[in-house]
Amino acid sequence: GAGVSQSPSNKVTEKGKDVELRCDPISGHTALYWYRQSLGQGLEFLIYFQGNSAPDKSGLPSDRFSAERTGGSVSTLTIQRTQQEDSAVYLCASSPQGQGRTDTQYFGPGTRLTVL
Amino acid sequence: AQSVAQPEDQVNVAEGNPLTVKCTYSVSGNPYLFWYVQYPNRGLQFLLKYITGDNLVKGSYGFEAEFNKSQTSFHLKKPSALVSDSALYFCAVRDILLRNAGNMLTFGGGTRLMVKP
Repeated sequence: GAGVSQSPSNKVTEKGKDVELRCDPISGHTALYWYRQSLGQGLEFLIYFQGNSAPDKSGLPSDRFSAERTGGSVSTLTIQRTQQEDSAVYLCASSPQGQGRTDTQYFGPGTRLTVL
Repeated sequence: AQSVAQPEDQVNVAEGNPLTVKCTYSVSGNPYLFWYVQYPNRGLQFLLKYITGDNLVKGSYGFEAEFNKSQTSFHLKKPSALVSDSALYFCAVRDILLRNAGNMLTFGGGTRLMVKP
């Protein structure tokens, strides 16, 4: 079956603009994660959704970052008033259950964000 | 808190030789451990995981890893490297106790594996 998909694959924006990044998880996976991969910081957890539970937002770096997941499937990560330090690859992952901590997370190809 | 260390930024090995990519971890409780590989301009691809049981875990593409609790290590190994194994490798940990760190994976900084013909 299809894996995790993300769009766009690349996004170039100007400083101060808002951007939206989309993630389509594997069908049937109830858990969805966003991570950020940057040269200086490596791979960082951003936010986690599990079913209808309140998301774990503990990794979001500032209040300019937000995410939602509609209908328990597609998720959108929004970055407002982008800054140059937001430039990174944003990775989405999904897993079957989430609460089962042995779950493997399956990653999408990522969105490369460049803020000029 | 949980953390992962990959002490080598890069590992160079000749094709056909055995390879080892090192990983050590720190968790409050007991760990679940994962290895992922990333090829250029691609997302992370799952290789293998340790949950419980046999300390030697076998995964995709001939890779294996050995969980060593006393040394808090989970080194990735392959008996005979291929040029196509050249990629970026990430070790990740999750504490088995949800209250310690939630569901998130904590990743090491990555190790670039270069296999030369």
